[in-house]
Amino acid sequence: EVQLAESGGGLVQPGRSLRLACAGSGFSFEDHAMHWVRQAPGKGLEWVSGISWNSGATGYTDSVKGRFTISRDNANNSLFLQMDGLRPEDTAFYYCVKDVKMWLVGEGRFDIWGRGTLVTVSS
Amino acid sequence: SVLSQPASVSGSPGQSITISCNGTGSDIGFFNLVSWYRQDPGKAPKVIIYDVLKRPSGISSRFSGSKSGNSASLTISGLQAEDEADYYCCSYAGGSTWVFGGGTTLTVL
Repeated sequence: EVQLAESGGGLVQPGRSLRLACAGSGFSFEDHAMHWVRQAPGKGLEWVSGISWNSGATGYTDSVKGRFTISRDNANNSLFLQMDGLRPEDTAFYYCVKDVKMWLVGEGRFDIWGRGTLVTVSS
Repeated sequence: SVLSQPASVSGSPGQSITISCNGTGSDIGFFNLVSWYRQDPGKAPKVIIYDVLKRPSGISSRFSGSKSGNSASLTISGLQAEDEADYYCCSYAGGSTWVFGGGTTLTVL
């Protein structure tokens, strides 16, 4: 079964850091671009960041540029999101998402989503 | 930036409804890379349309997508009670980035 499992969420104070991880299984992880999409409680979806199959291309939404860093370890079927300088507005469920394509310029078909991990930024 | 969608739409069973998604010449207007997602309460989103008008296998033909200029649309025909959900559009925005719409809640009367 194709699965994505996020971990690393929690309560953190403003300005601090957190590192999210996502473990993929049941598919050839190295053949797919991957994304992080977040959703504040009761709010809409927001694409946060994406990375191509070989880490050759990465992208970030403007509000996290310079603060978040996406990376992947294909040998261990893992995706990461290093979040620095966290702000209250970063509070959300963070979903790890699989793209059907290898590159970030694909069909926009994000076909597998994890269950999400909750990040709460509050003092 | 966020793509603009109506907060809510409604329709009666059997009717057709259309959800609009307004972008700019830098996203929807420039790329034919629009997708639509359905999200049920407490569940992860599911793709129902990609590449503007293509349906993944298993998605009913009642769902169709289109694009004109800087706007995209999702049409659901033969509305059914189980179509009630939140719907989101998504577009490639250049520079290896993607953007979602604010979401539309569909109510079947």
